[in-house]
Amino acid sequence: NTKITQSPRYLILGRANKSLECEQHLGHNAMYWYKQSAEKPPELMFLYNLKQLIRNETVPSRFIPECPDSSKLLLHISAVDPEDSAVYFCASSPGGTNTGQLYFGEGSKLTVL
Amino acid sequence: AQSVTQPDARVTVSEGASLQLRCKYSYFGTPYLFWYVQYPRQGLQLLLKYYPGDPVVQGVNGFEAEFSKSNSSFHLRKASVHWSDWAVYFCAVSMSGGYKVVFGSGTRLLVSP
Repeated sequence: NTKITQSPRYLILGRANKSLECEQHLGHNAMYWYKQSAEKPPELMFLYNLKQLIRNETVPSRFIPECPDSSKLLLHISAVDPEDSAVYFCASSPGGTNTGQLYFGEGSKLTVL
Repeated sequence: AQSVTQPDARVTVSEGASLQLRCKYSYFGTPYLFWYVQYPRQGLQLLLKYYPGDPVVQGVNGFEAEFSKSNSSFHLRKASVHWSDWAVYFCAVSMSGGYKVVFGSGTRLLVSP
């Protein structure tokens, strides 16, 4: 799937700061960050619609999303914790009446030492 | 609140045999329902979707699902399983006009020769 690109694909961190990047080439209005821990379903972290943050689940404050334009999404992580080890997926959807049909990137796997 | 239950964490099927993966939903109103598949080290991909209408929906790769309002179910079926179907399958629900997608816990499909 080259329509949603994520970088980096893999990263290993101590207690450091890092940013994940995502770009979608689908012209979608809504973009999401999901966290998937091992053997679990994806959990919604943040949701943007037309660059506006409209849903913000109970996520630790060390995670800060940013949406510089409607096709790009960033996730800034500061002072990571071992419980943050997971795969972080970016997703997008057309929004509006097509709610629920998500398109996922390939994920960024974060390993916290 | 909307929720999805996948009662089978793991299902093993012989190649060529038929398949049914179970999904029960809890939702007040008419839901939008989805099945997603996740292959190893990849993001989720949409298999099929149900919007209010024909209760049987066709998806990719020979998959279909049937919506039952009386049973609050949306089971996934395939007539003949192929080894390449080895993956984790997630049932999901969203509500009309909303943006939040709720995923079930997933069912890991193992295909035996």
